[in-house]
Amino acid sequence: EVQLVESGGGSVQPGGSLRLSCAASGFSFTDYWMHWVRQAPGKGLVWVSRISPDGSSTTYADSVKGRFTISRDNAKNTLYLQMHSLRAEDTAVYYCAKISLVWGQGALVTVSS
Amino acid sequence: QAVVTQEPSLTVSPGGTVTLTCGSSTGAVTSGHYPYWFQQKPGQAPTTLMYDTSNKQSWTPARFSGSLLGGKAALTLSGAQPEDEADYYCLLSYSGAYVAFGGGTKLTVL
Repeated sequence: EVQLVESGGGSVQPGGSLRLSCAASGFSFTDYWMHWVRQAPGKGLVWVSRISPDGSSTTYADSVKGRFTISRDNAKNTLYLQMHSLRAEDTAVYYCAKISLVWGQGALVTVSS
Repeated sequence: QAVVTQEPSLTVSPGGTVTLTCGSSTGAVTSGHYPYWFQQKPGQAPTTLMYDTSNKQSWTPARFSGSLLGGKAALTLSGAQPEDEADYYCLLSYSGAYVAFGGGTKLTVL
């Protein structure tokens, strides 16, 4: 079964850090670009970041550039999103996705004092 | 970064036809934007309906079709069913530099 499973969500204070993980199975993870997408409560989907199959190329939305880092471990079929200097406006469900095929169930990140 | 535009809401009658569109602030949408369409129902993760303008996933019902129409990407639903009521998002790719979602269209089947 093609599947993505996120973990690592939770509550953090403003200025804090959090790392999300996304375990992939059922498809050739190492062949594809992977993305992180977020959705604030009651709002639409917002693209966050993407990474090339070999991890050498990364791109970020302006809103997270310099604070978030996307990475992958192809030996573990796992995608990561390291988030620093978190703000209240980063509160959202974070989805990992191979956008032409499969999405994870989402991980909730809440930034609040 | 570019702004991607969609109709905020549309209503279609059961069995009817509706077209959702996806425009770009940078100009006409072309196949080079590799348009995607996603469906999201309340409380669920999105699912991919269409990629590269008109390619369907295996689970995409035949009543959905994708195209380019009047400088925009379009998703046409022919023969709407109650279960098609959902939010629909498009995504465009900009020369490999970044991708951007539209604001979403809330489709009501009524």
